[in-house]
Amino acid sequence: QKEVEQNSGPLSVPEGAIASLNCTYSDRGSQSFFWYRQYSGKSPELIMFIYSNGDKEDGRFTAQLNKASQYVSLLIRDSQPSDSATYLCAVNRSNTGKLIFGQGTTLQVKP
Amino acid sequence: GAVVSQHPSRVICKSGTSVKIECRSLDFQATTMFWYRQFPKQSLMLMATSNEGSKATYEQGVEKDKFLINHASLTLSTLTVTSAHPEDSSFYICSGIPRANYGYTFGSGTRLTVV
Repeated sequence: QKEVEQNSGPLSVPEGAIASLNCTYSDRGSQSFFWYRQYSGKSPELIMFIYSNGDKEDGRFTAQLNKASQYVSLLIRDSQPSDSATYLCAVNRSNTGKLIFGQGTTLQVKP
Repeated sequence: GAVVSQHPSRVICKSGTSVKIECRSLDFQATTMFWYRQFPKQSLMLMATSNEGSKATYEQGVEKDKFLINHASLTLSTLTVTSAHPEDSSFYICSGIPRANYGYTFGSGTRLTVV
């Protein structure tokens, strides 16, 4: 079982729609969770981080965490073509400080 | 915001030669930095943890004698790919932690091509 799992996609949504990206993790001891966006040929950039169960909103982005289900998600409202990228879920492996990444979900927002 | 500068951005080298990649934290002190490798259409794979003033720790399956890491100061970590082979061609990215419980900040990455 992979430590962090994501559906590789591609996930295709029309412009203006809500994109929903999901991630599961195996380490119950993990306490912090991150979403990164990566454009082709570039390094990842941090979108959001979440530590507590529930929702965390930042602009068009909402991260959701359910530790009991070991599930993290990212919602992107009013999706724009510029949001087309690969979205990486990352989990801080418990007691190590190491950030472990899922394989990423490719999002395509069509005009 | 926190900035990590990585150099070079691209390098092409011949098989058997060594390549050094530098990673600098410009506006924060990085006691720990992480080195990742990413093959095309794959995710980031953690290679090693670089610790200032001490030996790096490597993930399982990563050859420490091939990927030499030096972290001599709080702002500089280097990765040297020794005796490079074509299969080492990849995108190498470093990262640092600007402050506790904050997402890692990544360098811009180094595209290594071994011919």
